[in-house]
Amino acid sequence: DAKTTQPNSMESNEEEPVHLPCNHSTISGTDYIHWYRQLPSQGPEYVIHGLTSNVNNRMASLAIAEDRKSSTLILHRATLRDAAVYYCIPLNNTNAGKSTFGDGTTLTVKP
Amino acid sequence: VTQNPRYLITVTGKKLTVTCSQNMNHEYMSWYRQDPGMGLKLIYYSVGAGITDKGEVPNGYNVSRSTTEDFPLRLELAAPSQTSVYFCASRMRGQRSSYNSPLHFGNGTRLTVT
Repeated sequence: DAKTTQPNSMESNEEEPVHLPCNHSTISGTDYIHWYRQLPSQGPEYVIHGLTSNVNNRMASLAIAEDRKSSTLILHRATLRDAAVYYCIPLNNTNAGKSTFGDGTTLTVKP
Repeated sequence: VTQNPRYLITVTGKKLTVTCSQNMNHEYMSWYRQDPGMGLKLIYYSVGAGITDKGEVPNGYNVSRSTTEDFPLRLELAAPSQTSVYFCASRMRGQRSSYNSPLHFGNGTRLTVT
């Protein structure tokens, strides 16, 4: 299984963009890059995922490096509600059940 | 994904079961534990009814998958080291390599073993 590396913590000011990096240098060609976030005292929730092209949805954008060894989750305007732990995880359709998480990045948003 | 109970307090040596069910017809289901300030550790997972396999931290736990909908987690002899928050997750199996679905998580079960 591909391993991921994320910074332990990051800080942002409210209303400013946030770029959360993830390294996944051992990713396989069939792995999609998924991002989840976990708000305090809640279960993880899906944010976004992609394979090769950059992706956008109502929550965030995902920028994937051309060699796919790293990706960046972009929150365009951080709010206090975005304070959470963010996890990146490679998933494909064969390892789908055996999904292992790292420790993620704790994002603090300052008012 | 529905987990029950949300909170559970028990004593060392007791046998207990945490239930997990989903009605999305997801083939894949998993159990994770999360200790304070840490990430999620995979306990067991299942790729379909009748099939289960060990994850990173399976010792002290058992699971079964008799139906697609249900994936209960059992602790045969609860121990203080199993005090943690437990999350169940499910995911659809992609029929095509070009399709990739997200994980859906339950709200968690906070277990305390004294």
